[in-house]
Amino acid sequence: QSALTQPASVSGSPGQTVTISCTGNTSDIGDYDAFSWYQQHPGKAPRLIIYDVINRPSGVSVRFTASKSGNTASLTISGLQAEDEADYYCNSYTGDRTWVFGGGTKLTVL
Amino acid sequence: EVELVESGGGLVQPGGSLRLSCITSGFAFSSYRMNWVRQAPGKGLEWVANINQRGDEKNYVGSVRGRFAISRDNANDSLFLQMNNLRGADTAIYYCGRPSRGFSGIEHWGQGVLVTVSS
Repeated sequence: QSALTQPASVSGSPGQTVTISCTGNTSDIGDYDAFSWYQQHPGKAPRLIIYDVINRPSGVSVRFTASKSGNTASLTISGLQAEDEADYYCNSYTGDRTWVFGGGTKLTVL
Repeated sequence: EVELVESGGGLVQPGGSLRLSCITSGFAFSSYRMNWVRQAPGKGLEWVANINQRGDEKNYVGSVRGRFAISRDNANDSLFLQMNNLRGADTAIYYCGRPSRGFSGIEHWGQGVLVTVSS
């Protein structure tokens, strides 16, 4: 199972909105809603920010929203803040009882 | 408060073995599937393995299947990863993780433990 495809980097200025894409196949993203997004700051464990495609765990800012269409999922961060600068990873169920992550996207807040 | 604490990492020679442990607290351990995820230095996340609540269904990423074995002890709220025939490519921080209440997502993570495979 190949890793899901994410852009290596995205950037935006404070207050702006950025979107990170995650592309897979019909056998993973396309077929299942078992999909999540993670934020990871340097030297820290990942933090779940979206699960089941669109849901935010308790404590996650409403500035984080997500969607999925066909084989592509998207994470949108609005009102960009300096603290949002981090690596972001998508994750999907693959259908054979295994899971796959995207390669990760480094978000830079200018 | 949910807490996961990994241990057992270290330096091991290629072909060697290590056993990672993840001691949990603050939740009903026996009610959750559990996961191991790793991250090579400077690289992205890789899902490694998971185990169901009873411990009779175990799944692995292809690169570790046949070399790694996930297990759990529900009486002691603990998760394990036995790693055999280790390779340089297995060098990584290993995290244990508890899923969310939904169908996807690892909501709670340990601090991670470093495994270094080198001669």
